[in-house]
Amino acid sequence: EIVLTQSPGTLSLSPGERATLSCRASQSVTSNHLAWYQQKPGQAPRLVIYGASSRATGIPDRFSGSGSGTDFTLTISRLEPEDFAVYYCQQYGTSPRTFGQGTKVEIK
Amino acid sequence: QVHLVQSGAEVKKPGSSVKVSCKASGGTFSSYIVNWVRQAPGQGLEWMGRIIPVLDIANYSQKFQGRVTITADKSTSAAYMELNSLTSEDTAVYYCARGAVGAPDDYWGQGTLVTVSS
Repeated sequence: EIVLTQSPGTLSLSPGERATLSCRASQSVTSNHLAWYQQKPGQAPRLVIYGASSRATGIPDRFSGSGSGTDFTLTISRLEPEDFAVYYCQQYGTSPRTFGQGTKVEIK
Repeated sequence: QVHLVQSGAEVKKPGSSVKVSCKASGGTFSSYIVNWVRQAPGQGLEWMGRIIPVLDIANYSQKFQGRVTITADKSTSAAYMELNSLTSEDTAVYYCARGAVGAPDDYWGQGTLVTVSS
């Protein structure tokens, strides 16, 4: 199965700052079928980015995704208070679907 | 707008089984995949298995193979995940999520907390 490794584990930033999250795959992700999810405490994950770079419905344009093959990035251009959460990458191109271990974006 | 509604929290004894349901409202599972994902306390997301309801085909993570059964009822747009031989390590929130081949999981249930304790 494809192993996804996210870095850093925790990102401490202030509102208004830029967040850059990384996701590296152990092998190439088929058709760049890479998604990012946001999860807040006590809530289910919410789809943010799919296809490596497409924003899901209702996701503001401060969120952007990039990358291909084995290296992917989620960027939040200017952090809003509601963006502080845990973010997971997921590859859905090859079964089994696998998740990264998550990056926590916390308020500095 | 599709909503996935899961059954309520469960407390189980070690060695027993649990069956969690997931029902779609405002839509169906037709042409979709229902994935089951769990999250242990303070931990990340772990894919357990999936079912394609229209084909009634289920696939499972090797980790849970032989211990988990995923089924679906097309007539009621419901899916079920049954996990057997529970141990304390199965204490987790269990989620269902709607996906498709080559598509991400766009709708998630609210989660079902399963606590395994003697």
